[in-house]
Amino acid sequence: NAGVTQTPKFQVLKTGQSMTLQCAQDMNHEYMSWYRQDPGMGLRLIHYSVGAGITDQGEVPNGYNVSRSTTEDFPLRLLSAAPSQTSVYFCASSPFVGDTQYFGPGTRLTVL
Amino acid sequence: DQQVKQNSPSLSVQEGRISILNCDYTNSMFDYFLWYKKYPAEGPTFLISISSIKDKNEDGRFTVFLNKSAKHLSLHIVPSQPGDSAVYFCAARGNSGGSNYKLTFGKGTLLTVNP
Repeated sequence: NAGVTQTPKFQVLKTGQSMTLQCAQDMNHEYMSWYRQDPGMGLRLIHYSVGAGITDQGEVPNGYNVSRSTTEDFPLRLLSAAPSQTSVYFCASSPFVGDTQYFGPGTRLTVL
Repeated sequence: DQQVKQNSPSLSVQEGRISILNCDYTNSMFDYFLWYKKYPAEGPTFLISISSIKDKNEDGRFTVFLNKSAKHLSLHIVPSQPGDSAVYFCAARGNSGGSNYKLTFGKGTLLTVNP
């Protein structure tokens, strides 16, 4: 099993550009989530999904969209990038909500 | 309002000694607690967990203690090794349905183990 994979590893955007961060897992996990990690802020939940076709907002959802068309994939879309979205983004999955989460390696995003 | 607090941003210990990382929580609905370890440029990895029905859980060099009345948990690493140097996140889960099952993370504590 590859576990949780994320692409790209690094990305630089200009303000106003849009992009999609990819996340995939091959463990047939029902629950997937996106976090951002900022210095001194820990991990903050952006969006999560408890199964294909079901998504919900986390703590910091503004400026991000998600969809879950398959169990395996959970992409995160930045609609119009802003410098405040400069961060490290982690995708995670678990067999069910509240269970031990397995994290991907992260995407480091810089918005200029 | 921060529901999971790690009040020590950093901790430095000597190799071979005990490392104690602390975590406090405010939500009495939390019933399951986890510790994650994170190296630079990597994703967090699960370390150890404890259910609210227990007050201690041990796994090798790692022990987590839970004091429900004080809403406090701690992670003990004995003996500490240089490879333990990382950021440690405390996380907690609620015990009711729907969104309350989400994990809430603390801000993390950077542990440095000096040779």
